[in-house]
Amino acid sequence: DTGVSQDPRHKITKRGQNVTFRCDPISEHNRLYWYRQTLGQGPEFLTYFQNEAQLEKSRLLSDRFSAERPKGSFSTLEIQRTEQGDSAMYLCASSPTDGSAQGYTFGSGTRLTVV
Amino acid sequence: GQNIDQPTEMTATEGAIVQINCTYQTSGFNGLFWYQQHAGEAPTFLSYNVLDGLEEKGRFSSFLSRSKGYSYLLLKELQMKDSASYLCAFYNQGGKLIFGQGTELSVKP
Repeated sequence: DTGVSQDPRHKITKRGQNVTFRCDPISEHNRLYWYRQTLGQGPEFLTYFQNEAQLEKSRLLSDRFSAERPKGSFSTLEIQRTEQGDSAMYLCASSPTDGSAQGYTFGSGTRLTVV
Repeated sequence: GQNIDQPTEMTATEGAIVQINCTYQTSGFNGLFWYQQHAGEAPTFLSYNVLDGLEEKGRFSSFLSRSKGYSYLLLKELQMKDSASYLCAFYNQGGKLIFGQGTELSVKP
């Protein structure tokens, strides 16, 4: 296994466009998390899945954001009608079934720039 | 509520020792992480403490006091490549990480 993979690594989009990011977790990990990080700040939790079930969404996640994990494997994060304030690094992480902190692994992130 | 606090930036000299402190408040605590993050890259795991005490791993050590809501990361024999942001995060009962804003460490010759 090559760890947590995210695609694309970089995305530049015009304001108002929709974008979708993909995350492939470590195969035996049932939990998958999305975080957002802006310059000079630590990552902020957005949402997480246990298998295909979305168990929690942050209040930071506006209605323009939606995340799915249809088969309990890879996940997608979609942002509709992007705004300049959405420019950030979007990080995905996965962890083992029991939510153990051991093995909590981040992907390399997708850097979004909205122009 | 829950919050976590660490200094915004620190400067140290190559070869020296530096201690980065982190304080936190939370009602549900399942351990504390330290991550290193270079500019433009994802966080990389440094340490995880769930019990009180000191965990040593090469040049890096991490300490936790749960009763005081306090942790520190100790970096010894500093190298220029240690210049990075160091993130403190606690792992709460919901399974998510709550991060501090990060401490930007500059190592100077």
